[in-house]
Amino acid sequence: DGGITQSPKYLFRKEGQNVTLSCEQNLNHDAMYWYRQDPGQGLRLIYYSQIVNDFQKGDIAEGYSVSREKKESFPLTVTSAQKNPTAFYLCASSITRTGGYEQYFGPGTRLTVT
Amino acid sequence: QKEVEQNSGPLSVPEGAIASLNCTYSDRGSQSFFWYRQYSGKSPELIMFIYSNGDKEDGRFTAQLNKASQYVSLLIRDSQPSDSATYLCAVKRDSSYKLIFGSGTRLLVRP
Repeated sequence: DGGITQSPKYLFRKEGQNVTLSCEQNLNHDAMYWYRQDPGQGLRLIYYSQIVNDFQKGDIAEGYSVSREKKESFPLTVTSAQKNPTAFYLCASSITRTGGYEQYFGPGTRLTVT
Repeated sequence: QKEVEQNSGPLSVPEGAIASLNCTYSDRGSQSFFWYRQYSGKSPELIMFIYSNGDKEDGRFTAQLNKASQYVSLLIRDSQPSDSATYLCAVKRDSSYKLIFGSGTRLLVRP
C-alpha cells in the first residue's frame, strides 16, 4: 500500500533534548513538507523540500532542522532552541507537476516536552 | 488580515441537512484550492480540490469557487453524524508549492 508513515505516534522528551521525528513516503512524490498544529489552530509550515538535497524554510523554521538525503525520507529534528516544542507534527507529500499540488498527510507525531 | 479565513464554528446542522462551509482568501493570485477533513486527534484527509471557477461535485460533496469574490465553499449534502469533524480550507499561491491553511471550521451533525 502506498502512503506516508510517521513514527513514533507519541513522543515524550525532557526540555533541553533534541528529538528527531521520522517521515517516510512510498508514493514517489517529489515534494515533502513538515507542519506543526497547535490546539484549535490551523497548520503552520515548518520546512519543505521539492527535490532531494534541497529544502526551504517555511513560516516557523526557527528551532527546527531537516535533511532530504533520499526521495522517500524527510526527517525533522526539533532542537532545544525551539521554545514551545509541544505540538502535533504532521508530514505531507505531493507531486510537483502542473495541476497536481494536493498534499497528502501522514498520521502525525504528537510531541510532548516537559 | 489572515491569508485564509474560516469561521471557527461550531456549525451545527441536523442529520440529513446540507452543511455549508465557507472560506475567504486574500491573495488574488491564488490558483488552487483544497478542502481537508480532520477528525479529532487525527491528521487531515483531502476530500476535494478545485482549480476553476464554478462547482465541482464528488458524491455528497460540492466545492464552489468564486475567484472574483475570493471565496471557496464546501457543501455537504445529506449530512451524517460521521461528517462531524473540523474542515480545513487550503490555498496554493501561484508562485509556490506551499499551501496556506485556514484555522478550520468545526462541523457538528446532530442525529
